[in-house]
Amino acid sequence: GESVGLHLPTLSVQEGDNSIINCAYSNSASDYFIWYKQESGKGPQFIIDIRSNMDKRQGQRVTVLLNKTVKHLSLQIAATQPGDSAVYFCAENPANAGGTSYGKLTFGQGTILTVHP
Amino acid sequence: GAGVSQSPSNKVTEKGKDVELRCDPISGHTALYWYRQSLGQGLEFLIYFQGNSAPDKSGLPSDRFSAERTGGSVSTLTIQRTQQEDSAVYLCASSLSENYEQYFGPGTRLTVT
Repeated sequence: GESVGLHLPTLSVQEGDNSIINCAYSNSASDYFIWYKQESGKGPQFIIDIRSNMDKRQGQRVTVLLNKTVKHLSLQIAATQPGDSAVYFCAENPANAGGTSYGKLTFGQGTILTVHP
Repeated sequence: GAGVSQSPSNKVTEKGKDVELRCDPISGHTALYWYRQSLGQGLEFLIYFQGNSAPDKSGLPSDRFSAERTGGSVSTLTIQRTQQEDSAVYLCASSLSENYEQYFGPGTRLTVT
């Protein structure tokens, strides 16, 4: 079946370094991708999203890259801070058979990011 | 402003009992989603509401699970005859409409003993 998966389950970085979290997806019909951050005991928090008609989108200290050719998504965090430590999930919004989508998200398993001071 | 709220935050129940989980979405959000997150896992879609209608119930694991939404606002997820495998964090999200950013609540941690 279709799935969204992550290459690295854990990532440890030093404060101030840049972090890159990767995600592979398999549903070529997906038209919307989102990165979420989840801290312990909390619900996922939206970080950044990108639609399939784009290959790059930047936010505050974060950049999402989308490579549709190889079905790969990445999240780059600049100058990583201890407060960035969390589990990061990528999610995709696959279009249904009719070619429409309604926000039903398929999530990857998550990457644990640990930032050391 | 107020975000998505869920209650209770924690629920411990005995196997075989019924439980009700509540979600209060952000005011004005027409789309509402329920997801389940097992320990150390990603989120699993359960059901989607647009207004009071549920166009997609495909993620509900069994007929013991049901959900409703009233007044285009509050939603309740009901699990009948709970089983140990139902233990998980149940998350609710709402969005302005479908295909808009989803805002998640803090979740309800359900433990079935």
